[in-house]
Amino acid sequence: GENVEQHPSTLSVQEGDSAVIKCTYSDSASNYFPWYKQELGKGPQLIIDIRSNVGEKKDQRIAVTLNKTAKHFSLHITETQPEDSAVYFCAATLLGNQFYFGTGTSLTVIP
Amino acid sequence: ETGVTQSPTHLIKTRGQQVTLRCSSQSGHNTVSWYQQALGQGPQFIFQYYREEENGRGNFPPRFSGLQFPNYSSELNVNALELDDSALYLCASSTRDTAFGEQYFGPGTRLTVT
Repeated sequence: GENVEQHPSTLSVQEGDSAVIKCTYSDSASNYFPWYKQELGKGPQLIIDIRSNVGEKKDQRIAVTLNKTAKHFSLHITETQPEDSAVYFCAATLLGNQFYFGTGTSLTVIP
Repeated sequence: ETGVTQSPTHLIKTRGQQVTLRCSSQSGHNTVSWYQQALGQGPQFIFQYYREEENGRGNFPPRFSGLQFPNYSSELNVNALELDDSALYLCASSTRDTAFGEQYFGPGTRLTVT
């Protein structure tokens, strides 16, 4: 099956700086890569996703890049704010069946 | 908010007991997936239901079972509870009518087994 690795496990940035979280996957057939934000005591919230036929997608301060050849994808958050502090998970799937999640990155934005 | 609801919010059970967790999917969605999230870990896929049929299963023993109803709500049943079953149980709602099946999660049920 698919194996998703995520780095770093923890990340601290100053407010206003950028944050980058990286994931690698093992199954070249995977074609959909969502990112989720999970706040304490809540379920994961879908914040951005990318399909395998796209190299980059941006939504305001959040962007995701995908390198199919290297089998890795990254989440970029610019101009970080304290409310961005949460645990972020990447995932990979083929056609929306079983989602394989990374182990999470705890992001702390320091005011 | 995703429109996916789960009940109960919290539950405490004793080892060996049985538990049923419930999920109502988002309007228009016909697929429900269940995940187990241990503390400090990513969600692990248990199984998925599409139109009342199991449509894929992760590496979980048969004492984890499920149901999906005609209104697409779902139940997760766990028999013979073990201490390691303590976790946050998440359901995710999606539709197989789109190509990629974006999944939207509920708030989860926190199960503690003592």
